[in-house]
Amino acid sequence: GEDVEQSLFLSVREGDSSVINCTYTDSSSTYLYWYKQEPGAGLQLLTYIFSNMDMKQDQRLTVLLNKKDKHLSLRIADTQTGDSAIYFCAEKEAAGNKLTFGGGTRVLVKP
Amino acid sequence: GAVVSQHPSWVICKSGTSVKIECRSLDFQATTMFWYRQFPKQSLMLMATSNEGSKATYEQGVEKDKFLINHASLTLSTLTVTSAHPEDSSFYICSATRNGLAGGEQFFGPGTRLTVL
Repeated sequence: GEDVEQSLFLSVREGDSSVINCTYTDSSSTYLYWYKQEPGAGLQLLTYIFSNMDMKQDQRLTVLLNKKDKHLSLRIADTQTGDSAIYFCAEKEAAGNKLTFGGGTRVLVKP
Repeated sequence: GAVVSQHPSWVICKSGTSVKIECRSLDFQATTMFWYRQFPKQSLMLMATSNEGSKATYEQGVEKDKFLINHASLTLSTLTVTSAHPEDSSFYICSATRNGLAGGEQFFGPGTRLTVL
């Protein structure tokens, strides 16, 4: 079945850039997503990228997709303390609406 | 737009009782809703997919008689945990989507924390 993997933890200083990486196995994925989860809350959709795109930028967020290597990354520019959260990548199966989530990367932003 | 609510946000119940959790899409009609559970410091595990007016599709290993899902309208899905036991304690999150979204994205509710004593 599909598998999505992320590193567990990332520590970054306020003002620096953060890069969160994700790998997936399903080559037929249509869309890939980045969600943010703050403690005790649901998931907030940050951005998504269609599988035929290489890059998408949205304000401080830049998504890079290497479809050949099945590698997805999220770069957060000028990281702020409010960016501290767990970030999940997810892929959408080719048929249907089901998402497969990675294990989440806990990002800690230090002042 | 694309707001999904859940009620209650937290619930504590005694072992053996049933608990109902509601998921509502507030500003759009959701053709499909999903129910997930999340254990502490873990990822989301999909429990079932629910389409309005039809039976839910459960993931492997999820007991459909224990986790009853009803999707009676395009804006409301309910999850009932029947005869709850302490091992059912978890964070339950719903999401909703609709056909025609450019990115096929799911919008998530804020979650319901269930504690079974």
